[in-house]
Amino acid sequence: QSALTQPPSASGSPGQSVTISCTGTSSDVGGYNYVSWYQQHPGKAPKLMIYEVSKRPSGVPDRFSGSKSGNTASLTVSGLQAEDEADYYCSSYAGSNTYVVFGGGTKLTVL
Amino acid sequence: EVQLVESGGGLIQPGGSLRLSCAASGFTVSSNYMSWVRQAPGKGLEWVSVIYSGGSTYYADSVKGRFTISRDNSKNTLYLQMNSLRAEDTAVYYCARDRVVVTTSYYYYYGMDVWGQGTTVTVSS
Repeated sequence: QSALTQPPSASGSPGQSVTISCTGTSSDVGGYNYVSWYQQHPGKAPKLMIYEVSKRPSGVPDRFSGSKSGNTASLTVSGLQAEDEADYYCSSYAGSNTYVVFGGGTKLTVL
Repeated sequence: EVQLVESGGGLIQPGGSLRLSCAASGFTVSSNYMSWVRQAPGKGLEWVSVIYSGGSTYYADSVKGRFTISRDNSKNTLYLQMNSLRAEDTAVYYCARDRVVVTTSYYYYYGMDVWGQGTTVTVSS
């Protein structure tokens, strides 16, 4: 069982928006503004898409956005494109001993 | 180019040992926080271990006492020594650079921004 809870699947049609939730506790998501989101295509390494809840690394399209409320973080993908179909993982800093926890992942399907 | 390349994976019997390597280019391993993250077949990501730039090390409870993270500054390489391997350690192991900024009064965590391609460890008799 993963430390952070994500829905196993999400889907949307091209051009639509989809939001993926990530629920933790006050010891991780709720306690720090250090939520990250990773995209992973089959057989590939994860790629950082969002850090510090809502910031995008250089090169990540602004169609990807993040937010947080209490112990739940969210990733929204707007204007869905075929190449957005992938697994998405949230993670949160959780203090020096636990360090980082991940969610179980959400498979995003573009219909 | 900033890059991480893992090696050292393979098939190992339960109870055996294996050392994974992660060679970095384009940046200095010892100046960064570096993590190992694993992914069991068909499963999600699991953080395994981190080494701070200052040398402190931390481990997930699932590997504590069996795995050791280290680095060789002269080779700009990160390692993961894995002992007493179990079937549940079977996974793709990734090394990653953690973007962390530490000041005298605060700590900033910006996620894992560089990942290797992964190396596969299979523990089976």
